[in-house]
Amino acid sequence: EPEVTQTPSHQVTQMGQEVILRCVPISNHLYFYWYRQILGQKVEFLVSFYNNEISEKSEIFDDQFSVERPDGSNFTLKIRSTKLEDSAMYFCASTATVNSYEQYFGPGTRLTVT
Amino acid sequence: AQSVSQHNHHVILSEAASLELGCNYSYGGTVNLFWYVQYPGQHLQLLLKYFSGDPLVKGIKGFEAEFIKSKFSFNLRKPSVQWSDTAEYFCAVNNAGNNRKLIWGLGTSLGVNP
Repeated sequence: EPEVTQTPSHQVTQMGQEVILRCVPISNHLYFYWYRQILGQKVEFLVSFYNNEISEKSEIFDDQFSVERPDGSNFTLKIRSTKLEDSAMYFCASTATVNSYEQYFGPGTRLTVT
Repeated sequence: AQSVSQHNHHVILSEAASLELGCNYSYGGTVNLFWYVQYPGQHLQLLLKYFSGDPLVKGIKGFEAEFIKSKFSFNLRKPSVQWSDTAEYFCAVNNAGNNRKLIWGLGTSLGVNP
């Protein structure tokens, strides 16, 4: 069964460094998402992406964040200058069609900022 | 703003006990409702969903949920739990329009003793 994959599973970085989290959505899916979960808190929506552009973003998704689908298969989340409070589990998800609301999730990347 | 509340954060049951996990949401419009499960070491998986129609929906592994519109609730149930149901359970909603972002509850950690 097709799955969403994410790399790396765990990323440790120093405050102020740039990180890129990578996701490979299910092939032929059209909508892509990033969520994050800070330890002990709710899963939070960051951004959705469709037709090569951001369709919606949350207040969390400020200028330090960006997303890209560089090659038709990968979907990346870049944090330009990480902060301690960016430490979280980051989940990628994808949805098959314009009329589908079911999101398929990857295993997550645990980002630790020191 | 939309929000989701899950009443039970930690639940411990013995095998064969019945399960009910509460979920309430706040949103005035039409919603899609989801329960996701995360087994230890695995990624988020869709357990069941409600978009429209019969308010009693059945999902995988014997789970069901009932949408009660007047109570803004979507409680998850299982008549007889198994040790393998040990997992984290998340309730989530999105609105039934173009907005696809999922709003999440805090999650309920379920432990089932054999």
